[in-house]
Amino acid sequence: EPEVTQTPSHQVTQMGQEVILRCVPISNHLYFYWYRQILGQKVEFLVSFYNNEISEKSEIFDDQFSVERPDGSNFTLKIRSTKLEDSAMYFCASSRFNTGELFFGEGSRLTVL
Amino acid sequence: DQQVKQNSPSLSVQEGRISILNCDYTNSMFDYFLWYKKYPAEGPTFLISISSIKDKNEDGRFTVFLNKSAKHLSLHIVPSQPGDSAVYFCAARDSGTYKYIFGTGTRLKVLA
Repeated sequence: EPEVTQTPSHQVTQMGQEVILRCVPISNHLYFYWYRQILGQKVEFLVSFYNNEISEKSEIFDDQFSVERPDGSNFTLKIRSTKLEDSAMYFCASSRFNTGELFFGEGSRLTVL
Repeated sequence: DQQVKQNSPSLSVQEGRISILNCDYTNSMFDYFLWYKKYPAEGPTFLISISSIKDKNEDGRFTVFLNKSAKHLSLHIVPSQPGDSAVYFCAARDSGTYKYIFGTGTRLKVLA
């Protein structure tokens, strides 16, 4: 069964460093998302991406964040200069749109020291 | 502004009985509603969804009911099994932005 894959599963970084989280969405899906969950809190929307551009972004998704689809399969989230409060699980998700179903990857745990 | 709310943070149910998880929403623009099961440090696992034009969808032990007039949906798990113990999130898709909004989750514990 097709699935969303994410790498790395865990990344530890120093405050101020750049981080890139990678995702391979399900191949025939058209909408891509990044969500995050700070420990014990709710799953929060960061950004959605369709047709090679951002379609929606939250207040969390400030100038330190960017997304890219560099080729036909990968979808990346970059955090330019990490802060302590960026420590969270980051989830990539993809949707075919017409069924409404949204499928998540296993997540990338980011720890900022 | 909590558009999707799960008012029960936790629920305990005996094995074999029915688990009923509830979710309320405020936005009339939602067109799909979804339920997810989640374990710590893992991604949400899609369980079942329902379109806003329907009032019930069933898949095996899982049934989702949608009451649009009350802006309420529920997930029924029958019979409940110990392996169902997890945090359950409801989510809704905004038909204008295609953004999915999540509730705060309900921790279900199924007792053997």
